[in-house]
Amino acid sequence: QKEVEQNSGPLSVPEGAIASLNCTYSDRGSQSFFWYRQYSGKSPELIMFIYSNGDKEDGRFTAQLNKASQYVSLLIRDSQPSDSATYLCAVPWYSSASKIIFGSGTRLSIRP
Amino acid sequence: DVKVTQSSRYLVKRTGEKVFLECVQDMDHENMFWYRQDPGLGLRLIYFSYDVKMKEKGDIPEGYSVSREKKERFSLILESASTNQTSMYLCASSLVTGDGDEQFFGPGTRLTVL
Repeated sequence: QKEVEQNSGPLSVPEGAIASLNCTYSDRGSQSFFWYRQYSGKSPELIMFIYSNGDKEDGRFTAQLNKASQYVSLLIRDSQPSDSATYLCAVPWYSSASKIIFGSGTRLSIRP
Repeated sequence: DVKVTQSSRYLVKRTGEKVFLECVQDMDHENMFWYRQDPGLGLRLIYFSYDVKMKEKGDIPEGYSVSREKKERFSLILESASTNQTSMYLCASSLVTGDGDEQFFGPGTRLTVL
């Protein structure tokens, strides 16, 4: 079974700086990757989906995928206090694109 | 706008009770999921359903069963609740796209078993 690993944090970043979140995965066959954000007491919500090698940008968020090194990262530029949350990396199961395996998440704290 | 609802936000049950958690989605999604989330362990898949009356076990199915009689409704059943089933339970649904399916989550049910 695949494994998805993340540093649990907390990662503390000053407001306005770049927050960098990393995720490694065990299956070289993984094709697509998800980043979910979960605020305290709330449910996860999808913020980024990346399929191919390289970078994908959406506003202040950039997902970077490096299949050779088997890691995917999420960069948050101009970090805001509202970005304080737990960020979950996820990859589909090899046997079914519909099921995904979540990492345990990295807790991010943006300090004013 | 996708909406996934769960029957209760908070539930307190006693050891040995039979517990039903219900989830309803309104976007005609084929897939539905039940997860539990515990500190330090992340989201773990209990059961997955890809069609009415169809189900697959996830990582931690022991002590749980599921029912999907209608496309929009997916129920999680704890046959005999135990204290180690105290957790946050999250339901999710997704549309099959074949290219990595985004999952939409309900608000969660925090279950406490005494």
